[in-house]
Amino acid sequence: QVLLVQSGAEVKKPGASVKISCKASGYTFISHAIHWVRQAPGQRPEWMGWINLAYGNTKYSQKFQGRLSLTRDTSASTAYMELSSLRSEDTALYYCARGSLEVPAGAFDIGGQGTMVTVSS
Amino acid sequence: DIQLTQSPSSLSASIGDRVTITCQASQDISNYLNWYQQKAGEAPKLLIYDVSNLETGVPSRFSGSGSGTDFTFTITSLRPEDIATYYCQQYENLPLTFGGGTKVDIK
Repeated sequence: QVLLVQSGAEVKKPGASVKISCKASGYTFISHAIHWVRQAPGQRPEWMGWINLAYGNTKYSQKFQGRLSLTRDTSASTAYMELSSLRSEDTALYYCARGSLEVPAGAFDIGGQGTMVTVSS
Repeated sequence: DIQLTQSPSSLSASIGDRVTITCQASQDISNYLNWYQQKAGEAPKLLIYDVSNLETGVPSRFSGSGSGTDFTFTITSLRPEDIATYYCQQYENLPLTFGGGTKVDIK
């Protein structure tokens, strides 16, 4: 069974950083990309970036350039998303999602359970 | 960024009804268009990729069509388990972007 299990909810102060983990199981970790998508309450999903797990190369949305870092630990089958300089508008549910085989850079077939990040002073 | 405009934003339909959702792109995106289903508290689930290709395991009552800037998603016979919000998503250009969503419920 393919599973992506994310780390737990976070509460952060403005200006801080948050790092979320996404542990994969049930498939060959490096055979798929991992995308990160966030969704504020009642809003459409917002794509943040993706990482090629085999080579570690990344693509980020320009909106998050300079604040976002996607990494992975292949030995632990785990991907990470770190977002810095947090502000209240970053309050959202953050998902990791596996890139589909057919469209690895453009679609995602399985998502994690989501990690709620709340930014508040 | 490429904007995707979905309509309607919500709809109510009866079990067995045909449901149609449209998605219009702000520029030509060829066939780089996917459709997702999202249920409350869950990540979006890929239903259709590249306009009309059904993801493995997705029932055949779901279908998609279109090209360029205008796309359509159809549920041929609505079932109770189809209650969800549906999103189109483009990957012609980065960033990947989503439509505003269509919330489908039972009349």
